[in-house]
Amino acid sequence: ETGVTQSPTHLIKTRGQQVTLRCSSQSGHNTVSWYQQALGQGPQFIFQYYREEENGRGNFPPRFSGLQFPNYSSELNVNALELDDSALYLCASTGSAGGMETQYFGPGTRLLVL
Amino acid sequence: GNSVTQMEGPVTLSEEAFLTINCTYTATGYPSLFWYVQYPGEGLQLLLKATKADDKGSNKGFEATYRKETTSFHLEKGSVQVSDSAVYFCALINRGGSNYKLTFGKGTLLTVNP
Repeated sequence: ETGVTQSPTHLIKTRGQQVTLRCSSQSGHNTVSWYQQALGQGPQFIFQYYREEENGRGNFPPRFSGLQFPNYSSELNVNALELDDSALYLCASTGSAGGMETQYFGPGTRLLVL
Repeated sequence: GNSVTQMEGPVTLSEEAFLTINCTYTATGYPSLFWYVQYPGEGLQLLLKATKADDKGSNKGFEATYRKETTSFHLEKGSVQVSDSAVYFCALINRGGSNYKLTFGKGTLLTVNP
């Protein structure tokens, strides 16, 4: 178990709605990354936050936005949901293991858009 | 850009068989390489990692060696168990450039039969 937690575990929304997903980092980790994993695919990088600032973004539209809080927990917000947004959303916090920065993943939030 | 290519699955083996899952990569700079495992209905768990050429990562009987000359990081295990049934992802972080995101392969589903 990594110590990274996510909520909720499952969520069902309809097209056009908005959703907020939450992530608590492992203690001491100040960097959080979000990934989208479509069924049968590898995770795709959405964005990363470091000390409350966005630190890089993947190829996702602006309706995907995020926040990081002073306690390093994070939110992923998705506006105007589309059917293709149905996926497993993974949060990862970055820590050092053996002198090397490594991303540790939470269990994910499974989003279904109808 | 960065990319990871894994052998197509699914892979089906009998218990105690030898496992190889091939992984090759394309990256600028000096990537760190990872194998993550995803059990059914769960998030990603770090299995092993390597940071430089000729490093060997190992964990739970799994091994992978960072081969810069062939840009490969093949996963091996000498004797698989039913409990190893999962999806395996090869991934990289490019330390030479924008090293904040993991780039994943599409994953390889392994099924081990008793």
